[in-house]
Amino acid sequence: GQQLNQSPQSMFIQEGEDVSMNCTSSSIFNTWLWYKQDPGEGPVLLIALYKAGELTSNGRLTAQFGITRKDSFLNISASIPSDVGIYFCAGRSTGNNRKLIWGLGTSLAVNP
Amino acid sequence: EAGVAQSPRYKIIEKRQSVAFWCNPISGHATLYWYQQILGQGPKLLIQFQNNGVVDDSQLPKDRFSAERLKGVDSTLKIQPAKLEDSAVYLCASSLVVGYEQYFGPGTRLTVT
Repeated sequence: GQQLNQSPQSMFIQEGEDVSMNCTSSSIFNTWLWYKQDPGEGPVLLIALYKAGELTSNGRLTAQFGITRKDSFLNISASIPSDVGIYFCAGRSTGNNRKLIWGLGTSLAVNP
Repeated sequence: EAGVAQSPRYKIIEKRQSVAFWCNPISGHATLYWYQQILGQGPKLLIQFQNNGVVDDSQLPKDRFSAERLKGVDSTLKIQPAKLEDSAVYLCASSLVVGYEQYFGPGTRLTVT
């Protein structure tokens, strides 16, 4: 099925560094969602974006809905060890029963 | 507010056996989703219910997979008979209505040997 292009695939950073990841699509979306999944758990919703150009923060996390409506970015500032996990983007268009289309995830490792 | 509950958390079966998973969504959530997540991939939607009706089951392998949500609350997903390639995490999610944010349960890790 349709998938989003999410990059990078993996990151290994030092504690305290900032992190940036993004998702792109060939289709226009009207919603972008960012989830984090810890090992052995289900994805947890971090940030939801509903409007082109929207910039939303949740603590040290900031996400943006791209102006073209075909991309989104997630930034994590001052990373800490508990940021370790897999980050997924998901987008929703107006068609397809508003089904979520998922990226393949960005695996983040933080070296304390 | 209690989250999405799933059981069992882990299951190991032999190929050709059958297995069932249970999900209890967040109270008041009309929409329930079953996803399959293979290692290294994002979740893949198997079936979506709105109350007790099926909204989308286009990616459900109907020759072996079935799901029901008889009273519009709890749901079960069954695989019969299981194949090796069914080894995955099965995630249940719920949302207030279609198109709203989805909240996930912890998943059931299935290993088929």
